[in-house]
Amino acid sequence: EAGVVQSPRYKIIEKKQPVAFWCNPISGHNTLYWYRQNLGQGPELLIRYENEEAVDDSQLPKDRFSAERLKGVDSTLKIQPAELGDSAVYLCASSLDGVRGSYEQYFGPGTRLTVT
Amino acid sequence: QKEVEQDPGPLSVPEGAIVSLNCTYSNSAFQYFMWYRQYSRKGPELLMYTYSSGNKEDGRFTAQVDKSSKYISLFIRDSQPSDSATYLCAMSEGGSQGNLIFGKGTKLSVKP
Repeated sequence: EAGVVQSPRYKIIEKKQPVAFWCNPISGHNTLYWYRQNLGQGPELLIRYENEEAVDDSQLPKDRFSAERLKGVDSTLKIQPAELGDSAVYLCASSLDGVRGSYEQYFGPGTRLTVT
Repeated sequence: QKEVEQDPGPLSVPEGAIVSLNCTYSNSAFQYFMWYRQYSRKGPELLMYTYSSGNKEDGRFTAQVDKSSKYISLFIRDSQPSDSATYLCAMSEGGSQGNLIFGKGTKLSVKP
């Protein structure tokens, strides 16, 4: 069974440029998460989707970040414009549902973003 | 004070040693306790989870939870060079609103 797929794996952009990350969760997983992991830190949740509905976006910096999960499968996270402090690894995770997600989430390999 | 505290290490041990990794937490509502392993430039991989207090064993790995002390541990027996990675603890309150709260991770190196 394929795991969580993310692309691109690496991205280098100049500040003020836009960037987008894509995630395809494990087949049949209804809940999808986007995390940000800064160097030397654990992942921190940005947004959680149940199917196509964003049920928790309280930690998403909405002035520059946006996300969508059309048709309740793939998801895209966008930053516009990017700032130097956005350099981090952006991880996507999925779980069977929200309840299972409280103890069983599966992560993709992440997108390493460098903003210069 | 962060909700979850984890010593970042690094921790270096010889092959075959018993490794002990620990986290403390402040939120008494946490019910699920997880350990993830993260290799360099990879995503976190779920090793095991425990519900409430007690022990759980899976091969060379044993997770312990002491809710009275708000302290969790992961023990690795007969450590191997392939165990070299960063180990992240994570916790949640459970239920559909139970978001994971991660520690900073402990970087482990097992020397041959």
